[in-house]
Amino acid sequence: KAGVTQTPRYLIKTRGQQVTLSCSPISGHRSVSWYQQTPGQGLQFLFEYFSETQRNKGNFPGRFSGRQFSNSRSEMNVSTLELGDSALYLCASSPGTGPAFFGQGTRLTVV
Amino acid sequence: AQSVTQLGSHVSVSEGALVLLRCNYSSSVPPYLFWYVQYPNQGLQLLLKYTTGATLVKGINGFEAEFKKSETSFHLTKPSAHMSDAAEYFCAVSESGGGADGLTFGKGTHLIIQP
Repeated sequence: KAGVTQTPRYLIKTRGQQVTLSCSPISGHRSVSWYQQTPGQGLQFLFEYFSETQRNKGNFPGRFSGRQFSNSRSEMNVSTLELGDSALYLCASSPGTGPAFFGQGTRLTVV
Repeated sequence: AQSVTQLGSHVSVSEGALVLLRCNYSSSVPPYLFWYVQYPNQGLQLLLKYTTGATLVKGINGFEAEFKKSETSFHLTKPSAHMSDAAEYFCAVSESGGGADGLTFGKGTHLIIQP
């Protein structure tokens, strides 16, 4: 069974630009969550989608948004990038309850 | 609100020695507890989880953890460390099993294995 797939693995963007990250969950998993990992703040919850609906959102500005498609694939968008948005963005999937399985992440560098 | 405290940002042990990584949590409801491991430039791999039932949980790679409600702890142990255990370890708590409310992580403990 394939794991969680995140694309791209690495990304370099300029301040002010926007970026879209993609996540394909494990087959049959309907819940997709996104996390930001930075050396200073650690792992922080961004938001969670289940059956195309956002069920919960962490404490991040509105520049961070996401969506989920009918096939459970999810995208995360960050607009007006700031230097502080440089981070490893991790996607996790689960059946709905139960443990989350993580992808390898997308390393975003904002210059 | 739930929170996780991992004592010790770095823990160093000799190869073959006992590994003990400490985790304390706070939660307003019976928690779901997890340990994850992260190798350099990788995502998180689930080591083990506690939901309900048996308080001693066995995971992959010889790791286990014991849920102690009275101490609000979920410490991770391994009897004999291997060089391949060197990595970052994260304890996490959830009130819904890692679903809608997401996971709240500790700051992580970097495990160093001395030859």
